[in-house]
Amino acid sequence: GQQLNQSPQSMFIQEGEDVSMNCTSSSIFNTWLWYKQDPGEGPVLLIALYKAGELTSNGRLTAQFGITRKDSFLNISASIPSDVGIYFCARIAGNMLTFGGGTRLMVKP
Amino acid sequence: EAQVTQNPRYLITVTGKKLTVTCSQNMNHEYMSWYRQDPGLGLRQIYYSMNVEVTDKGDVPEGYKVSRKEKRNFPLILESPSPNQTSLYFCASSLGSPEETQYFGPGTRLLVL
Repeated sequence: GQQLNQSPQSMFIQEGEDVSMNCTSSSIFNTWLWYKQDPGEGPVLLIALYKAGELTSNGRLTAQFGITRKDSFLNISASIPSDVGIYFCARIAGNMLTFGGGTRLMVKP
Repeated sequence: EAQVTQNPRYLITVTGKKLTVTCSQNMNHEYMSWYRQDPGLGLRQIYYSMNVEVTDKGDVPEGYKVSRKEKRNFPLILESPSPNQTSLYFCASSLGSPEETQYFGPGTRLLVL
């Protein structure tokens, strides 16, 4: 299947800092999704993006669907300890869902 | 409570011994799927099902089987497990399509010796 390149692979930040991560693909897609996985649990949907250029917020989280439709960005403002986890981008092609490799976020109180 | 349940949560087995991981959802969802999660590789889709009796291969179907005889259940079958199938497995469901919110189960950690 098509690969999604997610970066960075991991981040270790201080509480209160802003965080930015991105996801790129060699192909164009119509939908970008961002999921978060808390330690020991299954992923949970954070934000869904359906249009190129779309900017969507969910609390301190903001995600953007790139203009080229080949990338997406997720920003977290003023990080807190409960932001710890793995963040995945995902895209849909046909009836299949493909996830990126994930960005592991660690927050130091 | 709306949820996706998986059993067992942890399993240690030996090469070649057939096993089944069950998945059940109580939300009347049509779309169900199985993923495996390995470090650095994210979640990779094994199989998915759009509805009863309709199943399709995902990105990594080799060595796995599924069935969808009822809407609520979507078991994952490993006919002859091998060590490279040691992984963390997630079942998920959504109302009608993968574009809608996927609700994930708690995961099944499998070790094949």
